[in-house]
Amino acid sequence: DIQMTQSPSTLSASVGDRVTITCRASQNISTRLAWYQQKPGKAPNILIYKASSLESGVPSRFSGSGSGTDFTLTISSLQPDDFATYYCQQYNSYYTFGQGTKLETK
Amino acid sequence: EVQLLESGGDLVQPGGSLRLSCAAFGFTFSSYAMSWVRQAPGKGLEWVSSISGSGGSTYYADSVKGRFTIFSDTSKNTLYLQMNSLRAEDTAVYYCAKHRDSNGYLDYWGQGTLVTVSS
Repeated sequence: DIQMTQSPSTLSASVGDRVTITCRASQNISTRLAWYQQKPGKAPNILIYKASSLESGVPSRFSGSGSGTDFTLTISSLQPDDFATYYCQQYNSYYTFGQGTKLETK
Repeated sequence: EVQLLESGGDLVQPGGSLRLSCAAFGFTFSSYAMSWVRQAPGKGLEWVSSISGSGGSTYYADSVKGRFTIFSDTSKNTLYLQMNSLRAEDTAVYYCAKHRDSNGYLDYWGQGTLVTVSS
């Protein structure tokens, strides 16, 4: 089974900050990685697929990079609506989610 | 507009059974793989099970293999999850989700239905 490890688990930041979340796979997954945003009491929403492709309708301040085992999600200038929990997911071999990164207000 | 509407969540005793449903709207249901993903209270997301668009292929997480069955009815555009031998650790919000393609990422999610396993 492929394990996904996200860091940090919690990230404190302010509006306007540039933030980066990392995700590491236990084996090579090429670029078969997605990032989701989830707000309390709501279903997750897709942000990024194929490691770096922006889903239609997602603001351009979100970007993804990486391949193989190491990936990053970057928010270039944090907005109030971005405080949420973020999950990576591999879809190379079945499906595995990272444990999540909660982005909170500093 | 794509919509996924789950139902069937309830309070059930350990060892009991429950069937979840997910009605799909706004896309050709038989053309897309579908999955169930769950989230225990205060915890992260866990993939549970997937089914191909035709219904001919099914996949399960080890944690539910042999207890849960995923199936679909393309005439009703509905996805199901039959859950047997339920345990306390199955307590979670269960989401159904549509795959972008045969084994890709999840592009649409339902609102979730809560399953509570407790005596």
